[in-house]
Amino acid sequence: DAGITQSPRHKVTETGTPVTLRCHQTENHRYMYWYRQDPGHGLRLIHYSYGVKDTDKGEVSDGYSVSRSKTEDFLLTLESATSSQTSVYFCAISESGTAAYEQYFGPGTRLTVT
Amino acid sequence: DAKTTQPNSMESNEEEPVHLPCNHSTISGTDYIHWYRQLPSQGPEYVIHGLTSNVNNRMASLAIAEDRKSSTLILHRATLRDAAVYYCILREEGGADGLTFGKGTHLIIQP
Repeated sequence: DAGITQSPRHKVTETGTPVTLRCHQTENHRYMYWYRQDPGHGLRLIHYSYGVKDTDKGEVSDGYSVSRSKTEDFLLTLESATSSQTSVYFCAISESGTAAYEQYFGPGTRLTVT
Repeated sequence: DAKTTQPNSMESNEEEPVHLPCNHSTISGTDYIHWYRQLPSQGPEYVIHGLTSNVNNRMASLAIAEDRKSSTLILHRATLRDAAVYYCILREEGGADGLTFGKGTHLIIQP
């Protein structure tokens, strides 16, 4: 199994508070991704990173920011959490962003915004 | 990523082979066919992927039609642990870097 951990695994927070989710990998993969999964929508890409300090937006990036200061860590920040950001968040990693390479997913973080 | 069509659900018996179909009639020549699965309360798990030729790995086999407009994921001997949602995804070479997940096929395994 790919070495991917996410923390925290569960979090309940109040509307308007900042929240940071962490993804940590031990595979030294260049690409890292944040997805959210909601009923009826499947997984949707929030942001991704193609190297240290190199990030780009995905399909549903509004309200989220990311940072990657080290190869192994990719942080997802909700600057001011809203109830619509209640979701399960998955991190993924890949050796390359090209179509020939697979992605490996972490166990997920369940976030509830009250 | 180009669109795929999968049955909403399928049922099979434990220890029997399972063939999960996927139609992708608008596939382009450089699209890779990827399969992932998601067990209950877990993150998606990579299963297999291919471009033109059939592929085998320790988890499954991928059979790709000659015209590439369809593919079949084959689980050779299903176990209860294979009960999951299976996603067939096309990835464009040079396209967006994320995976586009559809609704997938909910595979039910009967003991």
